[in-house]
Amino acid sequence: SQQGEEDPQALSIQEGENATMNCSYKTSINNLQWYRQNSGRGLVHLILIRSNEREKHSGRLRVTLDTSKKSSSLLITASRAADTASYFCATDLMRTGNQFYFGTGTSLTVIP
Amino acid sequence: DARVTQTPRHKVTEMGQEVTMRCQPILGHNTVFWYRQTMMQGLELLAYFRNRAPLDDSGMPKDRFSAEMPDATLATLKIQPSEPRDSAVYFCASGLVAQPQHFGDGTRLSIL
Repeated sequence: SQQGEEDPQALSIQEGENATMNCSYKTSINNLQWYRQNSGRGLVHLILIRSNEREKHSGRLRVTLDTSKKSSSLLITASRAADTASYFCATDLMRTGNQFYFGTGTSLTVIP
Repeated sequence: DARVTQTPRHKVTEMGQEVTMRCQPILGHNTVFWYRQTMMQGLELLAYFRNRAPLDDSGMPKDRFSAEMPDATLATLKIQPSEPRDSAVYFCASGLVAQPQHFGDGTRLSIL
């Protein structure tokens, strides 16, 4: 399937450390997005990176995209306890446009 | 901030009963998505509407599930008859084509 796969499935770090999550996908995409989900809530969009971009920043977030390897990474710098959540990547197929396929997520725990 | 509103937030019912979940997308958004989230399967796309027309419902069990948009302010997802395996969190999301999706907080459905 087109569904992205995040790695690792779970990550536990100390507050102040950096957290890196990876996403791999299978076919050509228009863009890739990262979302965050707090327990019991809906997903919240974090950042979108287009297929012709290689890196994007938003506050403490840094996303990279390597279309040759069909992979992306999300780096959260100087993590906080409030960053504890699940993080998902979502990819869209070039041929279908707006339909997004979500990965299985990385569960991040930031220990105060 | 504009939000996607889903009702009910929680639903517990017995198998065989009809379940209707409602979603109010953000005003002006022309795409609406229904997702189902379970621990085992992750986030699955059930149906996708653009300008109220169903574009893809291939992820939805046709024999018991139906999705409609009676007007631009309301999307519904119905299950009839419901089965225990339908227990999950159902999310609605809305957006504009090729733009990030905005998620509601979901309906947590338990079928006994």
